Amino acid sequence: DTAVSQTPKYLVTQMGNDKSIKCEQNLGHDTMYWYKQDSKKFLKIMFSYNNKELIINETVPNRFSPKSPDKAHLNLHINSLELGDSAVYFCASSPTGGAGQPQHFGDGTRLSIL
Amino acid sequence: LAKTTQPISMDSYEGQEVNITCSHNNIATNDYITWYQQFPSQGPRFIIQGYKTKVTNEVASLFIPADRKSSTLSLPRVSLSDTAVYYCLVGDTGGGYNKLIFGAGTRLAVHP
Repeated sequence: DTAVSQTPKYLVTQMGNDKSIKCEQNLGHDTMYWYKQDSKKFLKIMFSYNNKELIINETVPNRFSPKSPDKAHLNLHINSLELGDSAVYFCASSPTGGAGQPQHFGDGTRLSIL
Repeated sequence: LAKTTQPISMDSYEGQEVNITCSHNNIATNDYITWYQQFPSQGPRFIIQGYKTKVTNEVASLFIPADRKSSTLSLPRVSLSDTAVYYCLVGDTGGGYNKLIFGAGTRLAVHP
């Protein structure tokens, strides 16, 4: 059983479109995250939710909107996609949002903007 | 924020022990030191975490000197499957929240 699963694995779309990426974790964790890994391979945190409540919101364009319907799911919706949004997006979870807790990552969604 | 510095790349051969050292001169009193491993097309995977002295698990050992300004990840008898990027992270309390700050990592290549 996959602990943190993301769909789709690959997403190819055109500039200006709106798309969503879904994430689910079956670990019973309270906290979930979205990270972006760009072409230079740097991983940067975007958002974090603890039990459906937003707790970390980094400097991310407001075209990106996370939604957590329950603590096992954290989806990422992106409006008006731009070329610079091309990257791999990783979802992660941890037992709680406390500092230092190991995070469990999904295998990523590779987003390519044409 | 405590920043980490680690070698960009390392090469080794199967069966050897690999030691990757990370510098974190500005580590704060409450910060933990954590290492993650990332294979191509996969998300990072937690390897080991420590606060001081030595920690060992089934995958690796982590050595932390008394001043905690550096740490060394030790991988015993590496195999080809250990080829990956290894990230050293120092816990950012971020107001108490679990915000991982990734650097460039060390790209380890294990050769036959």
